[in-house]
Amino acid sequence: AQSVTQLGSHVSVSEGALVLLRCNYSSSVPPYLFWYVQYPNQGLQLLLKYTSAATLVKGINGFEAEFKKSETSFHLTKPSAHMSDAAEYFCAVIHTGGFKTIFGAGTRLFVKA
Amino acid sequence: EAGVVQSPRYKIIEKKQPVAFWCNPISGHNTLYWYLQNLGQGPELLIRYENEEAVDDSQLPKDRFSAERLKGVDSTLKIQPAELGDSAVYLCASSPSNGTHRPDTQYFGPGTRLTVL
Repeated sequence: AQSVTQLGSHVSVSEGALVLLRCNYSSSVPPYLFWYVQYPNQGLQLLLKYTSAATLVKGINGFEAEFKKSETSFHLTKPSAHMSDAAEYFCAVIHTGGFKTIFGAGTRLFVKA
Repeated sequence: EAGVVQSPRYKIIEKKQPVAFWCNPISGHNTLYWYLQNLGQGPELLIRYENEEAVDDSQLPKDRFSAERLKGVDSTLKIQPAELGDSAVYLCASSPSNGTHRPDTQYFGPGTRLTVL
């Protein structure tokens, strides 16, 4: 069975600091992996996705994530946090044999001035 | 291009009352999803449509929930009767059918926040 674990329900960083949001997955077959962002009272918006091409994936707003099969991880990073990055971030997995998306519980990012 | 449209945005009802949510996906998107999002959690799939066919409704509580997607475009999700535990955000999403059977990006609507009193 697939699952997604996001370590840390809340992460707080200072403006300009590195953002690191952690995601570990379990899947018996090669997965597709996604990061979505959700701003208050809005739906989820795709940040980036891994679909078995390059292991380092670049997304919108300066975010990127690296697929590490040996660690079953897909951590999201951004070199320098901006106030506008404050939101909830969801990691999600789909295995290549199906279409059901499994979302993590989410990590709320706070950015301090 | 218009995104996924959902209405109403907010709904407050008393328990045991019926409620319905409406979703209009992005034009040309054949796949439509309904998700339930509880506070502090990620979305959980309720039902997935490919055109007008419900291809995955295994997580839909069929005793009180129903959904339809007539003509393979708009969709309606209904709860009858609503219970206190149904208070949550109901998200609709759509994705294009790319013909390769590979899961594609989902585009989400803003959701309907349901409060059952």
